[in-house]
Amino acid sequence: NAGVTQTPKFRVLKTGQSMTLLCAQDMNHEYMYWYRQDPGMGLRLIHYSVGEGTTAKGEVPDGYNVSRLKKQNFLLGLESAAPSQTSVYFCASSYHLWGSQPQHFGDGTRLSIL
Amino acid sequence: TQLLEQSPQFLSIQEGENLTVYCNSSSVFSSLQWYRQEPGEGPVLLVTVVTGGEVKKLKRLTFQFGDARKDSSLHITAAQPGDTGLYLCALSKGQGFSFIFGKGTRLLVKP
Repeated sequence: NAGVTQTPKFRVLKTGQSMTLLCAQDMNHEYMYWYRQDPGMGLRLIHYSVGEGTTAKGEVPDGYNVSRLKKQNFLLGLESAAPSQTSVYFCASSYHLWGSQPQHFGDGTRLSIL
Repeated sequence: TQLLEQSPQFLSIQEGENLTVYCNSSSVFSSLQWYRQEPGEGPVLLVTVVTGGEVKKLKRLTFQFGDARKDSSLHITAAQPGDTGLYLCALSKGQGFSFIFGKGTRLLVKP
């Protein structure tokens, strides 16, 4: 059982380039989340999804777009990467929304924007 | 407004010592979770609590929750190098989007 898988694990981009981060979960979870983790800032929610075909903004959504075309996949897109988006990105999924059930995290994507 | 504060930010101790880290909220929460994150990995859930005053034990880890549901502590007895990591608390206020992570306490246990 793989749990939550994130690809790629590492990526270096130039300012202005675009890319998509992929998150896949095999636990049949309804809820999925994208976070970014920066030194001294903790985990901050970018976007989340409460089911296939639905997405919603989190705390820091600007500069990112997401899609949930299939229940098991949650994609995070950067249309025009900026140095401020250098971070470690984590995807998570859960059976129920928020704190009543554990969030299962992937191992992260380390993204550097030059 | 700081909704969730964790202290200390960093803690370095010797193997075998005891320690306590804290998580304090500026408002009442409906549930609180503690996670541990090891370098290069995602956070992993340690415990969830929903009842004020509750105490939960997980081997050498003891989690205590305030009666007023605004604070929590994690006590580790006889720390081991394997306890090294970032300890995060996260709370839910139970209303719409209201799930917040603290900035974490980074623990280093030296052999």
